[in-house]
Amino acid sequence: DAKTTQPNSMESNEEEPVHLPCNHSTISGTDYIHWYRQLPSQGPEYVIHGLTSNVNNRMASLAIAEDRKSSTLILHRATLRDAAVYYCILSRLYGGATNKLIFGTGTLLAVQP
Amino acid sequence: DGGITQSPKYLFRKEGQNVTLSCEQNLNHDAMYWYRQDPGQGLRLIYYSQIVNDFQKGDIAEGYSVSREKKESFPLTVTSAQKNPTAFYLCASRPTGGYNEQFFGPGTRLTVL
Repeated sequence: DAKTTQPNSMESNEEEPVHLPCNHSTISGTDYIHWYRQLPSQGPEYVIHGLTSNVNNRMASLAIAEDRKSSTLILHRATLRDAAVYYCILSRLYGGATNKLIFGTGTLLAVQP
Repeated sequence: DGGITQSPKYLFRKEGQNVTLSCEQNLNHDAMYWYRQDPGQGLRLIYYSQIVNDFQKGDIAEGYSVSREKKESFPLTVTSAQKNPTAFYLCASRPTGGYNEQFFGPGTRLTVL
């Protein structure tokens, strides 16, 4: 399974943009890039995913490098509620139907007021 | 409201006892998953099921068993053969067909004394 590399922790100030990097140099052509986040003692929450093109949704933006070996999750204006562990995950279909998420240790984002 | 429920939130058991963790979803999702999370670590896949009466081992299935008799339910039994059962257990579900996000439950924290 392809792996991802993320910084252990990052800090941001409230109301400022945050760029969370992820390296995935062994990504294959069929791997999707997913981002989930997890608050303490809660289940992970889906943030965004993409394959080749940059993606935007109401929560964040995902910028994918042209060679797909890295990506960046962008939170446009950090709030205190965005403080969480952010996981960058590669996912592919297994058995034709079920995608398998391989979680790393993620990046702990601290947001200062 | 639609969602995934896991009960109980906290569970204590004596060493050597089997224990069953509940996971129910009313999202009409075909695929369901069980993950284990240890402190400071990412999630690891225990078992997954793509359809009723079918399930597959994940990366750390030893010492665990599951059943999928109903679409809505995917209980996980932690047996006495599991060497280090104390952990945070998370259940997830996903509609099949493409790269849909996984929806996670709130988790059950199991402590074996």
